[in-house]
Amino acid sequence: SQQGEEDPQALSIQEGENATMNCSYKTSINNLQWYRQNSGRGLVHLILIRSNEREKHSGRLRVTLDTSKKSSSLLITASRAADTASYFCATDAVEYGNKLVFGAGTILRVKS
Amino acid sequence: DGGITQSPKYLFRKEGQNVTLSCEQNLNHDAMYWYRQDPGQGLRLIYYSQIVNDFQKGDIAEGYSVSREKKESFPLTVTSAQKNPTAFYLCASSIASGRNYEQYFGPGTRLTVT
Repeated sequence: SQQGEEDPQALSIQEGENATMNCSYKTSINNLQWYRQNSGRGLVHLILIRSNEREKHSGRLRVTLDTSKKSSSLLITASRAADTASYFCATDAVEYGNKLVFGAGTILRVKS
Repeated sequence: DGGITQSPKYLFRKEGQNVTLSCEQNLNHDAMYWYRQDPGQGLRLIYYSQIVNDFQKGDIAEGYSVSREKKESFPLTVTSAQKNPTAFYLCASSIASGRNYEQYFGPGTRLTVT
């Protein structure tokens, strides 16, 4: 079963535009994390947002969490070609033994 | 340089052969994980270890085995019992298991079995 699902599956934008990716999940969570994966590489942790937090920022990244809707969004502002990658949300929930459960990801392409 | 190393980057094997993927970390992390990633999909947990000499099955453990004899090392063996072993394998670690810890990933090993 897929705990976290990202939307859209793929996104193509011009350099300088903002990119928004969404993640929906099914159960109550302890935290939600976003990771980036460049093609053929390992994942890199971006942001962790706890269940009692609503918004977090890190540089050009802004993450929001709405526990009532069981959803999160990742906003990348002023995108760059180097932001081209796959982005995954991962949820940490008691129901899943406090192990991270990853979604299928959003493929972001930033055109220069 | 602190981090997680996986070797080799690419691995080719014939069907019916067991193969062992290496994962080493020098981050002094207690918890280590193995994931499998298939094209266009997210990561699925194979095995994880919360402490030395202890490990648990993840969601797709059948056909795989692990050991955790040292804190730094968590090798994964893909056995001939694994029906569809061709995939990208990722190793990760975290300070501890449980809530609110981020995971650090290695660069991955792409295994092709023919």
